[in-house]
Amino acid sequence: EVQLVESGGGLVQPGGSLRLSCAASGFTVSSNYMSWVRQAPGKGLEWVSVIYSGGSTYYADSVKGRFTISRDNSKNTLYLQMNSLRAEDTAVYYCAISSHSTAFDIWGQGTMVTVSS
Amino acid sequence: DIQMTQSPSTLSASVGDRVTITCRASQSISSWLAWYQQKPGKAPKLLIYKASSLESGVPSRFSGSGSGTEFTLTISSLQPDDFATYYCQQYISWTFGQGTKVEIK
Repeated sequence: EVQLVESGGGLVQPGGSLRLSCAASGFTVSSNYMSWVRQAPGKGLEWVSVIYSGGSTYYADSVKGRFTISRDNSKNTLYLQMNSLRAEDTAVYYCAISSHSTAFDIWGQGTMVTVSS
Repeated sequence: DIQMTQSPSTLSASVGDRVTITCRASQSISSWLAWYQQKPGKAPKLLIYKASSLESGVPSRFSGSGSGTEFTLTISSLQPDDFATYYCQQYISWTFGQGTKVEIK
């Protein structure tokens, strides 16, 4: 069974950093594309970043230059390094993969990031 | 960037109703569109991919159609479990629509 488990969320001050992890089981993180999607409290879904099997990465304009997506194939884990955090980055962060369709067919349970002083 | 516009933002319907949600792209995305269902406090769930392909395990009352810039999600007979928020997503540059909340009438 394919499963994704996020971790690393928490409370951080504005300007601070946080690294989110997404551990995959039943699936190889390097075999297809994986993404981070976030949802601010009471708001809709916002795509954040994607990494393709070949290693290409793309970011939403709202996080470009501050966030970095990466993966560790040996640990079968996806990461999101978040720097220069702002109040508007407060959200539940989900990792998602395309395991058999062309869209995001498997999602993690989400991890909450709160940016506040 | 490709903008996705969903309508309506909120929809009130009764069990058994036929429901249609529309998603418009600011430029052609061919058939690279997905539909997701999200319930409060839960992760989104994929319903439809490539505009009209039904994800495995999703009831056949859900269907998707369209190509280019106009897409629809149809629920043929609304069930109690279907009251939720629905999002479209284009996966050329990955943006989501703003969501459509389906409420009990």
